[in-house]
Amino acid sequence: AQKITQTQPGMFVQEKEAVTLDCTYDTSDQSYGLFWYKQPSSGEMIFLIYQGSYDEQNATEGRYSLNFQKARKSANLVISASQLGDSAMYFCAMREGYSGGGADGLTFGKGTHLIIQP
Amino acid sequence: GAVVSQHPSRVICKSGTSVKIECRSLDFQATTMFWYRQFPKQSLMLMATSNEGSKATYEQGVEKDKFLINHASLTLSTLTVTSAHPEDSSFYICSACGESYNEQFFGPGTRLTVL
Repeated sequence: AQKITQTQPGMFVQEKEAVTLDCTYDTSDQSYGLFWYKQPSSGEMIFLIYQGSYDEQNATEGRYSLNFQKARKSANLVISASQLGDSAMYFCAMREGYSGGGADGLTFGKGTHLIIQP
Repeated sequence: GAVVSQHPSRVICKSGTSVKIECRSLDFQATTMFWYRQFPKQSLMLMATSNEGSKATYEQGVEKDKFLINHASLTLSTLTVTSAHPEDSSFYICSACGESYNEQFFGPGTRLTVL
């Protein structure tokens, strides 16, 4: 089973509209973290937002907010007032519980290609 | 935020040669770094975890003899693709952990093309 599922391969959104990118995850760990990254055509991975499994409030960073539904195991990204520069690939990722006291790498979903239209 | 650099940004090499990619944390010390690979129009796949002063931990299916990782200092990890073949052509991205394991800062990536 996939650990991170992003069901929207591509999305077209009108400029200035809000957009929600879906992400569901699968883990049996109690402690985990969820990340969203933006990857423009240049390839760099731009960190957008982070939500810890024990965080009671949904994370927000400027125009980005994370709709965390723990019971549903979903962590959707909401971008308010979309801009042309938001056009990019968006990846949801998860860090599961620590193993052996060290850090763990991230597991990524397949991504959503978001295109903002003027 | 913290800055991670990678060098080179692009490399083209002949089949059978070895290529070294450097990943540096510029303004912080990173005990742990990660190496990912991304094929065109696909997601990032974790290849290995690089820990300063110890052997790297490789993900299942990644050949450790082909992808040599060295993390000799708290600011530098290197990935050497040995005897590269066209199927190794990919985008290689490193990330480094900040003070918190919840922080992972990515480098700009290295695009490897093997002819």
